[in-house]
Amino acid sequence: KAGVTQTPRYLIKTRGQQVTLSCSPISGHRSVSWYQQTPGQGLQFLFEYFSETQRNKGNFPGRFSGRQFSNSRSEMNVSTLELGDSALYLCASSLGLTADYNEQFFGPGTRLTVL
Amino acid sequence: QKEVEQDPGPLSVPEGAIVSLNCTYSNSAFQYFMWYRQYSRKGPELLMYTYSSGNKEDGRFTAQVDKSSKYISLFIRDSQPSDSATYLCAMKNNFNKFYFGSGTKLNVKP
Repeated sequence: KAGVTQTPRYLIKTRGQQVTLSCSPISGHRSVSWYQQTPGQGLQFLFEYFSETQRNKGNFPGRFSGRQFSNSRSEMNVSTLELGDSALYLCASSLGLTADYNEQFFGPGTRLTVL
Repeated sequence: QKEVEQDPGPLSVPEGAIVSLNCTYSNSAFQYFMWYRQYSRKGPELLMYTYSSGNKEDGRFTAQVDKSSKYISLFIRDSQPSDSATYLCAMKNNFNKFYFGSGTKLNVKP
């Protein structure tokens, strides 16, 4: 069974631009969560999507948004990029809502660099 | 104060040593406790999870939770060079958000 895939793996953008990252969960998984990982802050939860609806949200500004499609694939968008948005963005999939499942399977991440 | 505190290391041990990795937390509402391993340029992978206090063993790995002290540990017996990675603790509250530690980098020397 294929794992979680994320595209692109690496991205370089400049301040003020916007970016869209993509995540394909494991087949049959319906929940997708997004995290930001930085050396200083560690892994921080961005949001969780289930059945095309955002079910949970972390403490990030509105510049960070996401969506989920009917096939469970998810995208996250960051608008008006700032230098501090440079990070590894990880997607994790789960069979169902993380309320009911403790197992999340992570993708390899997208390394975003903002210049 | 962060919800979850974890010593970033790095922790360097010889092959065969017993490794102890720890996290402390401040929110008594956390019920589920997890340990992830993350190799360089990879996403985290779940090693173990426990519910509430107690011990759980899986091969060379033992997870321990002490809710009264708000302290969790992961022990690795007979450590191997292949165990060299960053270890992240994570915990979940009743609102189903995961909170992660910043990770401890472990290096097991042959």
